[in-house]
Amino acid sequence: GAVVSQHPSRVICKSGTSVKIECRSLDFQATTMFWYRQFPKKSLMLMATSNEGSKATYEQGVEKDKFLINHASLTLSTLTVTSAHPEDSSFYICSVEGGANYGYTFGSGTRLTVV
Amino acid sequence: GQSLEQPSEVTAVEGAIVQINCTYQTSGFYGLSWYQQHDGGAPTFLSYNALDGLEETGRFSSFLSRSDSYGYLLLQELQMKDSASYFCAVVTGRRALTFGSGTRLQVQP
Repeated sequence: GAVVSQHPSRVICKSGTSVKIECRSLDFQATTMFWYRQFPKKSLMLMATSNEGSKATYEQGVEKDKFLINHASLTLSTLTVTSAHPEDSSFYICSVEGGANYGYTFGSGTRLTVV
Repeated sequence: GQSLEQPSEVTAVEGAIVQINCTYQTSGFYGLSWYQQHDGGAPTFLSYNALDGLEETGRFSSFLSRSDSYGYLLLQELQMKDSASYFCAVVTGRRALTFGSGTRLQVQP
């Protein structure tokens, strides 16, 4: 299956600043990557589908101007949380469709805390 | 849209068998997946069912009934390390996963 690296694993930022999260597919060329958000003890909610070389597709209710997604190469997608607020504090996880039987591989996640 | 329902919590003892059910409502259904997630970690793929029936992978088995929009994950010979959250997820034509609310499994000695 695919190997996915996500960085940073943990970040604390001040309210109003921006944070960039990177998701790399190390051994697999991913034309599509997915970004999820997970609040404590909750499920993973799809935020957007990142498409290499084109605009991301955002889920309903996700602000595209706040959560900027760039997928400039087949191995890298970035999620930038702009003008972060405490309510943006969450666990952000990327995934790549890789492997047999629709086995999606997830990055290790980024714990964002906005203070 | 899609919705998946599963129990919020299950408790069992080491060595026991536990079944986690999942019912779903979705359009464009391709298959049902199961993921395990330990606290603070990323989800890891356990199984996928596209067709009706039982799929067995070691101590874990997964079942699907498309006509009933129902599936389950069966964990046998429970170990303490199996304590985690388990999510069912559907794969639709959009290719992204839609997750259920998750079942927190607590394995007791």
